Amino acid sequence: QTVVTQETSLTVSPGGTVTLTCASSTGAVTSSYYPNWFQQKPGQTPRALIYSTSNKHSWTPARFSGSLFGGIAALTLSGVQPEDEAEYYCLLYYGGGQWVFGGGTKLTVL
Amino acid sequence: EVQLVQSGAEVKKSGESLKISCKGFGYSFTSNWIAWVRQMPGKGLEWMGIINPGDSDTRYRPSFQGHVTISADKSISTAYLQWSSLKASDTAMYYCARLGVGATSNLRWFDPWGQGTLVTVSS
Repeated sequence: QTVVTQETSLTVSPGGTVTLTCASSTGAVTSSYYPNWFQQKPGQTPRALIYSTSNKHSWTPARFSGSLFGGIAALTLSGVQPEDEAEYYCLLYYGGGQWVFGGGTKLTVL
Repeated sequence: EVQLVQSGAEVKKSGESLKISCKGFGYSFTSNWIAWVRQMPGKGLEWMGIINPGDSDTRYRPSFQGHVTISADKSISTAYLQWSSLKASDTAMYYCARLGVGATSNLRWFDPWGQGTLVTVSS
């Protein structure tokens, strides 16, 4: 069973920078995994932020960026705002129509 | 506006059957795969499976195979998720999402998402 691992929780100060990571139990994550990142606030539908590693949707704030480093997908928030407090999920593609979500990272802005 | 609209909340008893829906608006429904995602109370997102409404090609996450059925009716731009015999453990919010693919196929994204259908199953 493929497992996608994210930090359970992270805390960042307003205005600070934080990086959330997404690792695969199968090995290095590459662009072929089309890493996607989603933000979900309590009681709300998930919102797409980043797709295919580093591409932003038109509504994605500039302070969010996606990347790959060391075989891991990453989501970096620079200049964190209080409204960025949320759960963040990554999603990876394993071929054959199979995608797997990470367990999610609860980001606290404090 | 491209959107997915899901059917309303359901309250069922264990052993009952259920079919929930996800209707697409504002685009050619057969042009994009539709995924289903489960979120159990207080838990994370889980990928369930995906269907191509054009030809009904369906792929399931192995852990969901045999427990749910994903289908689509392209004539009414609607995808479905159904259970033949619900369990209390099926209590969750269920979302559908559209898979977008870039022209060169190296870009893939999931948007929009439906608003979610809350399924509550009592034992």
